[in-house]
Amino acid sequence: NAGVTQTPKFQVLKTGQSMTLQCAQDMNHNSMYWYRQDPGMGLRLIYYSASEGTTDKGEVPNGYNVSRLNKREFSLRLESAAPSQTSVYFCASRRQVTNTGELFFGEGSRLTVL
Amino acid sequence: QKEVEQNSGPLSVPEGAIASLNCTYSDRGSQSFFWYRQYSGKSPELIMFIYSNGDKEDGRFTAQLNKASQYVSLLIRDSQPSDSATYLCAVKRNRDDKIIFGKGTRLHILP
Repeated sequence: NAGVTQTPKFQVLKTGQSMTLQCAQDMNHNSMYWYRQDPGMGLRLIYYSASEGTTDKGEVPNGYNVSRLNKREFSLRLESAAPSQTSVYFCASRRQVTNTGELFFGEGSRLTVL
Repeated sequence: QKEVEQNSGPLSVPEGAIASLNCTYSDRGSQSFFWYRQYSGKSPELIMFIYSNGDKEDGRFTAQLNKASQYVSLLIRDSQPSDSATYLCAVKRNRDDKIIFGKGTRLHILP
């Protein structure tokens, strides 16, 4: 079972370059999330999508855009990368269930911006 | 004030003892509470979830929720070296699908 698949796993960018992180899930989940993780900072929510066609800002949305292309895919775009966006990015999905519904995470994408 | 607060640690506990991890949250409309474990370089994995006041036990793990005090905790009994990891508290609000994490607590089990 693939679960949540993120690509690429590693990427090095120069300041000002753009790139898109791809995420796909095969569990028929409605909700999908993008988090970033920096040392000592836990997971910070960038954007999330509760259903196909909808997206909402999280805690740290500045500098990012997202697209919920269909139920399976949720992409994160950096239009003009900055060194402050150096981080590990996790995509996650969950089934919307009252009171429960755990997050299933991808393996993470390590991004370095020089 | 961050929505979800955790002591970053590290918390050092002797093998076989009880490890106690704590988390507070600010949004009274929070609905569901999760504990995730994350090993270095790996993705988080769910340990337990709780949504009703009181205790919930699963093997060596017990989650405790007190909504009046806006406090959730995780107890790990008979701590093992393999429990050494970062433990992340996560909170889902009632009004939307947003799930917010705390900064995590690093736990070291001393052999």
